Amino acid sequence: QVQLVQSGAEVKKPGASVKVSCKASGYTFTSYGISWVRQAPGQGLEWMGWISAYNGNTNYAQKLQGRVTMTTDTSTSTAYMELRSLRSDDTAVYYCARAQGFGSDLDYWGQGTLVTVSS
Amino acid sequence: QSALTQPRSVSGSPGQSVTISCTGTSSDVGGYNYVSWYQQHPGKAPKLMIYDVSKRPSGVPDRFSGSKSGNTASLTISGLQAEDEADYYCCSYAGSYTPYVFGTGTKVTVL
Repeated sequence: QVQLVQSGAEVKKPGASVKVSCKASGYTFTSYGISWVRQAPGQGLEWMGWISAYNGNTNYAQKLQGRVTMTTDTSTSTAYMELRSLRSDDTAVYYCARAQGFGSDLDYWGQGTLVTVSS
Repeated sequence: QSALTQPRSVSGSPGQSVTISCTGTSSDVGGYNYVSWYQQHPGKAPKLMIYDVSKRPSGVPDRFSGSKSGNTASLTISGLQAEDEADYYCCSYAGSYTPYVFGTGTKVTVL
């Protein structure tokens, strides 16, 4: 069965960076893309970006351009999302989700990773 | 790109039907037949319930249905059950620069 398993919770100071992993299993990793979505406490869902596991092409949300980098390691079927220059309003649960293609529906989700940014 | 507009909450008794609206613009909901709906229980990850406006993934009960008219998409839950109590988010494709625009979210309460 398809599974996306994310790394554990993180606590970071303002200005630091965080890298969240998302290990995929149960399907051919390179046949799909991965989107990252975050949810601030008590708030809605916000799309952060997408990466093709086939060729590494990326598309980032405009507001995060320059602070976010998404990568994949096809040898371990793992996707990564790194966010730099963290601010308090980056405190959120970060989800990875599988997408057939760019802009397509998100059919399987990871369990989420809480990132807390606090001094 | 602004978030799609959903009602803050809807409620219904077991067995009743509820409909959640999702209003966007001609640049997102009205421009593409790529609207999806996600169910999220407290503390859990979202779950895909509807894609491509009205298609249901395998395993999703047929009590859930989707539709679209103009710039507004809708999710209807028929025969409401206690386990349907959750937050629901719509999502629309909005072009190559912003492929995903989410709705503001709706809390469904089963009375």
